[in-house]
Amino acid sequence: TQLLEQSPQFLSIQEGENLTVYCNSSSVFSSLQWYRQEPGEGPVLLVTVVTGGEVKKLKRLTFQFGDARKDSSLHITAAQPGDTGLYLCAGYNAGGTSYGKLTFGQGTILTVHP
Amino acid sequence: NAGVTQTPKFQVLKTGQSMTLQCAQDMNHNSMYWYRQDPGMGLRLIYYSASEGTTDKGEVPNGYNVSRLNKREFSLRLESAAPSQTSVYFCASSETHSRGRSKEYFGAGTRLSVL
Repeated sequence: TQLLEQSPQFLSIQEGENLTVYCNSSSVFSSLQWYRQEPGEGPVLLVTVVTGGEVKKLKRLTFQFGDARKDSSLHITAAQPGDTGLYLCAGYNAGGTSYGKLTFGQGTILTVHP
Repeated sequence: NAGVTQTPKFQVLKTGQSMTLQCAQDMNHNSMYWYRQDPGMGLRLIYYSASEGTTDKGEVPNGYNVSRLNKREFSLRLESAAPSQTSVYFCASSETHSRGRSKEYFGAGTRLSVL
């Protein structure tokens, strides 16, 4: 069974602080996605990383895929209240099935206080 | 631009009752998905439809059935609801069935309670 462990589960910080969310597994993934979900809404895709060691930046958010493609991190610089939400990572492995398997982590609930 | 629309937004059922969750997308996407989201467990795939006319089981299909009515619509049916099916259900769509690579667009969810 493929598992994606996210840490921390909860994060409460002040506006302007930096933070990092981790997504770890013992399995190798073909690609990894990060989503943000706001209360009462569905997840929204932020980024997809596919190459080991890949780093992608989206304004104040930096995403990194581990060299071995088993882990990933999301770093937010100078967090804003608008960053508040549930952050989910999802790893994809084609495996032997026709549709592959997209495994979601449990999520990290981030609250940024003004 | 509505994207993915789910109805209803909230539903309370008694054990044994049946219901159908509706989903429609207006982006001309080929693939559609049904997920459930439970606290501490992330999202789990129930069923998916890679293209119009096809449906396949996901990770947790037991107790559910689906219908891909046309390219726009993909419904999820609970024939005899159980308390274990209390969850938030999300429908999603993507242009192609290239999971993990293609972008999936999610609806706002249906919050279902089974008493």
